[in-house]
Amino acid sequence: KAGVTQTPRYLIKTRGQQVTLSCSPISGHRSVSWYQQTPGQGLQFLFEYFSETQRNKGNFPGRFSGRQFSNSRSEMNVSTLELGDSALYLCASSLDRVHYEQYFGPGTRLTVT
Amino acid sequence: GQNIDQPTEMTATEGAIVQINCTYQTSGFNGLFWYQQHAGEAPTFLSYNVLDGLEEKGRFSSFLSRSKGYSYLLLKELQMKDSASYLCAVAGSNYQLIWGAGTKLIIKP
Repeated sequence: KAGVTQTPRYLIKTRGQQVTLSCSPISGHRSVSWYQQTPGQGLQFLFEYFSETQRNKGNFPGRFSGRQFSNSRSEMNVSTLELGDSALYLCASSLDRVHYEQYFGPGTRLTVT
Repeated sequence: GQNIDQPTEMTATEGAIVQINCTYQTSGFNGLFWYQQHAGEAPTFLSYNVLDGLEEKGRFSSFLSRSKGYSYLLLKELQMKDSASYLCAVAGSNYQLIWGAGTKLIIKP
């Protein structure tokens, strides 16, 4: 069974631009969560989607948004990029909201200059 | 507030045993997870505890005490490949996972 895939793997953007990241969960997994990871900060929860609905949202500004499609694939968008948005963005999928074991994708490394 | 604490860094010797502690304060509890993350890679699942006690899985064991808000991950017969960060995460009442900052484990020959 294929794992979680994320595209693109690396991205360089300029401050003020916007970016869209994509995540394809493991086949059959319906829950997708997004995280931001920076050195020394650990995993910071962005949001969780299940059945195309946002179920939870972390403490991030409204510039961060996401969505989930009917095939469970998910995208996250960051508008008006800031230097502090430079981070590794990880997507994780799980079977549903009861089975918590999450499987992570390789991440998208975003650099904002 | 919700909080998870774990040591920032630990050092151990190849072949030895190391215990990584995690204490938590969360609103609601639906289980505690341990993940391993090698540098430059994504986290991978190690263990899940929802009841008090010890769960053993090969060289790795995880312990939970819900009354004390405490867990530990025990790694035996340490190998160089165990050098990684170990992340503690708690599932709260709304199904959301709350993550600790991770413990970087350095294994020396």
